[in-house]
Amino acid sequence: DAGVIQSPRHEVTEMGQEVTLRCKPISGHNSLFWYRQTMMRGLELLIYFNNNVPIDDSGMPEDRFSAKMPNASFSTLKIQPSEPRDSAVYFCASSPGGGEVYGYTFGSGTRLTVV
Amino acid sequence: AQSVTQLGSHVSVSEGALVLLRCNYSSSVPPYLFWYVQYPNQGLQLLLKYTTGATLVKGINGFEAEFKKSETSFHLTKPSAHMSDAAEYFCAAGGSSASKIIFGSGTRLSIRP
Repeated sequence: DAGVIQSPRHEVTEMGQEVTLRCKPISGHNSLFWYRQTMMRGLELLIYFNNNVPIDDSGMPEDRFSAKMPNASFSTLKIQPSEPRDSAVYFCASSPGGGEVYGYTFGSGTRLTVV
Repeated sequence: AQSVTQLGSHVSVSEGALVLLRCNYSSSVPPYLFWYVQYPNQGLQLLLKYTTGATLVKGINGFEAEFKKSETSFHLTKPSAHMSDAAEYFCAAGGSSASKIIFGSGTRLSIRP
């Protein structure tokens, strides 16, 4: 089991550029979560999917952020245009049905720096 | 709404001393409870979890936690701290919403030589 795979591990981009973060969940897991972690705000849930369908996107900070899950093995989080305040570590996590019982498996994260 | 409170954003103990990280939850339904550990520059890793049954739960690296319903607590302990235990620890709770678990704000554990 390769775990949850995120790419890239590090991303440095200029303000105004589009950024795309990628996630491959564990095979067979049907829930996928995107989190953002900063020193100031801690761990924030941005959006989660069940069976590829977005269930709760209330944590998405603004319209510049969008997430998709075109199939069970792939999800993207896009920021367009990026701003310096988007600098953070973005984590993807997945769980089998009943994530509230089994817990989540997290990826290693993408460290985004917007300059 | 379900919430998780971790008392103390930073805990420092000496190597070999007892580790105690505190977590309280509020929930209107029986909770599922978790502790995660995050080492520097890594993702969160599940340390242990309570679902049903025995209230004392043992996890990896010698950690354990006890579910106390009367106190709505799920404190994490380790009898003897090791330098490698230095990390951020997150308590989390699920059960009030399908699929979703709520994380506490985290406690950074430092180990003094």
